[in-house]
Amino acid sequence: EAGVTQFPSHSVIEKGQTVTLRCDPISGHDNLYWYRRVMGKEIKFLLHFVKESKQDESGMPNNRFLAERTGGTYSTLKVQPAELEDSGVYFCASSQDSGRASDEQYFGPGTRLTVT
Amino acid sequence: AQSVTQLGSHVSVSEGALVLLRCNYSSSVPPYLFWYVQYPNQGLQLLLKYTSAATLVKGINGFEAEFKKSETSFHLTKPSAHMSDAAEYFCAVSGDTNAGKSTFGDGTTLTVKP
Repeated sequence: EAGVTQFPSHSVIEKGQTVTLRCDPISGHDNLYWYRRVMGKEIKFLLHFVKESKQDESGMPNNRFLAERTGGTYSTLKVQPAELEDSGVYFCASSQDSGRASDEQYFGPGTRLTVT
Repeated sequence: AQSVTQLGSHVSVSEGALVLLRCNYSSSVPPYLFWYVQYPNQGLQLLLKYTSAATLVKGINGFEAEFKKSETSFHLTKPSAHMSDAAEYFCAVSGDTNAGKSTFGDGTTLTVKP
């Protein structure tokens, strides 16, 4: 069974440019989460999809970030325009069950975004 | 609100020595607690989780953790460190607000000396 995959693994862009990150969850997983780790600090929650619906987007830092999950399969996270403080590692995770607190989340390897 | 504090951003042990990684949590509801490990260039892998069934939780690779409500702690231990245990370890809590949302600590990098 394929795990959670993320593309690209690394991205280096200039301030003001646009970047789109992609996450493919484990097949059949309805729940998809985005997290971000900035400057080696804690991994912070960004948002949670249940199928194609946003269950919780309380962690999205501002309106320069747009997440989509059309069709309830893969998800994209677009940053437009990118700022220096957006640099970090963006993780995607998925879980199979009902999005309960006890569910195991399966993480992808992350996308390392560097904004210069 | 929920939060996690991992004491010690870097821990170094000798091969064969006890591994102890500390985690304290705060939660307004009964928590679910997780330990994840991240090896270089890989995603986070679940080591173990506490879901109120038993306070002593055994995980993969010989790790275990004990939930202590009175101390609000969930420390991770392994009796004998192996070189392959060198990685970054994250403690996480969920259960508050959005059930699926996890709150992570800053991570602890474990170095194992030969």
